[in-house]
Amino acid sequence: LAKTTQPISMDSYEGQEVNITCSHNNIATNDYITWYQQFPSQGPRFIIQGYKTKVTNEVASLFIPADRKSSTLSLPRVSLSDTAVYYCLVVANYGGSQGNLIFGKGTKLSVKP
Amino acid sequence: EPEVTQTPSHQVTQMGQEVILRCVPISNHLYFYWYRQILGQKVEFLVSFYNNEISEKSEIFDDQFSVERPDGSNFTLKIRSTKLEDSAMYFCASSEVWVAQETQYFGPGTRLLVL
Repeated sequence: LAKTTQPISMDSYEGQEVNITCSHNNIATNDYITWYQQFPSQGPRFIIQGYKTKVTNEVASLFIPADRKSSTLSLPRVSLSDTAVYYCLVVANYGGSQGNLIFGKGTKLSVKP
Repeated sequence: EPEVTQTPSHQVTQMGQEVILRCVPISNHLYFYWYRQILGQKVEFLVSFYNNEISEKSEIFDDQFSVERPDGSNFTLKIRSTKLEDSAMYFCASSEVWVAQETQYFGPGTRLLVL
């Protein structure tokens, strides 16, 4: 699976848009990009997943350029409750693929008032 | 919204003791997982389970670990003889299907402290 690289930490203020970029230079044709969120002392929670271009849900948007070597998670108008660690994962999609998720260190987002 | 539940939320044990961590996956899910997270470190995959057998396991999941689905609802992780380094947060997860793109739903975790 492709290795991912993302900033260790980011700071923001309430109401701002936050963009967290993840690089995955060796992403394979069948791989998807998935983001999870983890609050302190809680289990990770799925945020969004995409293959190419743009995906948007009620929580976030995910931008994936044509070469798919990077992706950007966009959180609109963050609040204090968005303070968490955000993980970018590359997951394989082919028959018989492993189901286990490989987490990196993630990006620790701190939202200040 | 359905959720994965785990018990106990905290467990303190002595080194060498056996512990059993319990999980109730989401009812219509067929694939179950255990992960662990040592304090301040990343979430690590331990094992995946389907149809009453292990599908995949990591190198962390050695002979001291075992998993079981004793009935139609519970999924357990047993550590036979705990070591200090087993102190961690243990997360159970479940999914409907076993492809990595499928969303996995994580429980709140059990914090295990081995003294």
